[in-house]
Amino acid sequence: AQSVTQPDARVTVSEGASLQLRCKYSSSVTPYLFWYVQYPRQGLQLLLKYYSGDPVVQGVNGFEAEFSKSNSSFHLRKASVHWSDSAVYFCAVRYTGGADRLTFGKGTQLIIQP
Amino acid sequence: EAGVTQSPRYAVLQEGQAVSFWCDPISGHDTLYWYQQPRDQGPQLLVYFRDEAVIDNSQLPSDRFSAVRPKGTNSTLKIQSAKQGDTATYLCASSAGLGGRGAEQFFGPGTRLTVL
Repeated sequence: AQSVTQPDARVTVSEGASLQLRCKYSSSVTPYLFWYVQYPRQGLQLLLKYYSGDPVVQGVNGFEAEFSKSNSSFHLRKASVHWSDSAVYFCAVRYTGGADRLTFGKGTQLIIQP
Repeated sequence: EAGVTQSPRYAVLQEGQAVSFWCDPISGHDTLYWYQQPRDQGPQLLVYFRDEAVIDNSQLPSDRFSAVRPKGTNSTLKIQSAKQGDTATYLCASSAGLGGRGAEQFFGPGTRLTVL
């Protein structure tokens, strides 16, 4: 069965500093990969997605993620964080065939310090 | 274009009471999903529809939960006899098409349920 692990429940970063949020997946085949962001009292919003090709994908608001098949990882990065990036970030996977089901990690809460 | 809308936004119940959640997907989206998101957890799929047909309800606790989408547009999720373990946020999402790389899911703001 596929699973998603986000090892950091909470990450604290100073405003203007760089960011990496980690995500590892377990699947016998490469799934479709996603990062979502959830602001307080709001639904999830898609940041970026990976299907195939260039392992580095660009998303909204300066976010990017890098897929690594050898490490079964899809880490999210940002060069310089802003206070408005404070939110919970979820990594998710979907099989490339079969059921249209998203499997989410537990999420990482990002706290931006002034 | 309006996004996915849900109501109510909040609900507080005593154990044993019933509650219904309502979802209006994005116009033209044929696939609709219901997720349960416990506190400090990621969303977990309960059930999803294509048009009015249930595609997968294997994770829906069938003894107390039910979901319908009678005309292939709006949907209702109902809990017959709520338990404290049902405390969570219930998210609705919709997409245009089933599966494949193009079927991005768009999420509503959720209904936060507290069962006392």
